[in-house]
Amino acid sequence: DAGITQSPRYKITETGRQVTLMCHQTWSHSYMFWYRQDLGHGLRLIYYSAAADITDKGEVPDGYVVSRSKTENFPLTLESATRSQTSVYFCASSDPGQSSGFYGYTFGSGTRLTVV
Amino acid sequence: QKEVEQDPGPLSVPEGAIVSLNCTYSNSAFQYFMWYRQYSRKGPELLMYTYSSGNKEDGRFTAQVDKSSKYISLFIRDSQPSDSATYLCATQEGAGSYQLTFGKGTKLSVIP
Repeated sequence: DAGITQSPRYKITETGRQVTLMCHQTWSHSYMFWYRQDLGHGLRLIYYSAAADITDKGEVPDGYVVSRSKTENFPLTLESATRSQTSVYFCASSDPGQSSGFYGYTFGSGTRLTVV
Repeated sequence: QKEVEQDPGPLSVPEGAIVSLNCTYSNSAFQYFMWYRQYSRKGPELLMYTYSSGNKEDGRFTAQVDKSSKYISLFIRDSQPSDSATYLCATQEGAGSYQLTFGKGTKLSVIP
């Protein structure tokens, strides 16, 4: 199916554990993004990638690691999970419109992560 | 001051009402203005976007941008219970600027 898929949808993990959230898109969009969404903070950018093997930090990168070996995949790893990383995580992809240069993001359905 | 400010609400209206959702922004370099709709436990989805100032209409939805006052609006006519969602405004600096700046979202409930 075409689109952007995130897995798992729900995850409970313990403090200190490593956890990886997966994101896969089928459009070959060059740009991919990871956001976390928390009440009172809205969407905050964690990391983004302009192409395979090119990644850069966003607003809140501490404690997270990303990789992008293939255009379609952009996993997010929490190296040692903390309770403050309990959140809803959204992956998004984007490509500029051919004529307009507009970057409309397409979001996945999210991963609800709880760190206990 | 955050670059895009949005009243979080919540906003509750009766079915059939006209809804007005608003954002203000501070960066005059923003050129693209978007509205995303997010249903509960779903990801945001692009509702509509405008370039520079002016209005854009799509069915019951009208997006309006006033760059002189740095004000973004979304109007929903004849609101329906299915419009109940969180609405996020977002901005983009210009063609080729891939990072969006999001407002925190306004939660709307349309009561039957």
